[in-house]
Amino acid sequence: EAGVAQSPRYKIIEKRQSVAFWCNPISGHATLYWYQQILGQGPKLLIQFQNNGVVDDSQLPKDRFSAERLKGVDSTLKIQPAKLEDSAVYLCASSLSGQGSEAFFGQGTRLTVV
Amino acid sequence: GNSVTQMEGPVTLSEEAFLTINCTYTATGYPSLFWYVQYPGEGLQLLLKATKADDKGSNKGFEATYRKETTSFHLEKGSVQVSDSAVYFCAQVRAAGNKLTFGGGTRVLVKP
Repeated sequence: EAGVAQSPRYKIIEKRQSVAFWCNPISGHATLYWYQQILGQGPKLLIQFQNNGVVDDSQLPKDRFSAERLKGVDSTLKIQPAKLEDSAVYLCASSLSGQGSEAFFGQGTRLTVV
Repeated sequence: GNSVTQMEGPVTLSEEAFLTINCTYTATGYPSLFWYVQYPGEGLQLLLKATKADDKGSNKGFEATYRKETTSFHLEKGSVQVSDSAVYFCAQVRAAGNKLTFGGGTRVLVKP
């Protein structure tokens, strides 16, 4: 079974530039998560989708971050404009619906803003 | 709100030592509880889970018991190996909405 695919693996941009990350979840997984993991910290949930609807985006900095999952399958996360403090690993995960379902994670995209 | 607190690291141990990593949670209702592990250079992967009170999750010699009365889910292993060196994350999924929340992580270093 294919896992969660993310691209790119690494990205270096200058502050005030824009960047987009892509995620393809495991087939059949209705729930998709985007997390931000700053070095030395635990993953922080940015946004959670159930199919193509947003379940939770309370910690998404909406002035600069946006995400979509138009067809309820793959998803993109965008940052525009980027700030130095956005340097982090961006993780995508997916799971089946239902409490207790395991979330499967992609390898992440390491973003460096200079 | 729902949150997870775990002991800070790093935790440095010798091979065959006993490992405990404390984890407590706050939640409305009864969440499912997880331990995820991140080995060097690898992605996050599930280590074990428990979905209701008094359940014990176990895998690779690790165990954790869902304690509702103390809102805890401490991770234990009786005899660690060098290959257990990793960062361990406690997490919960709340009963409503499937939101997955992580603790800050505990780095464990096992020396030969």
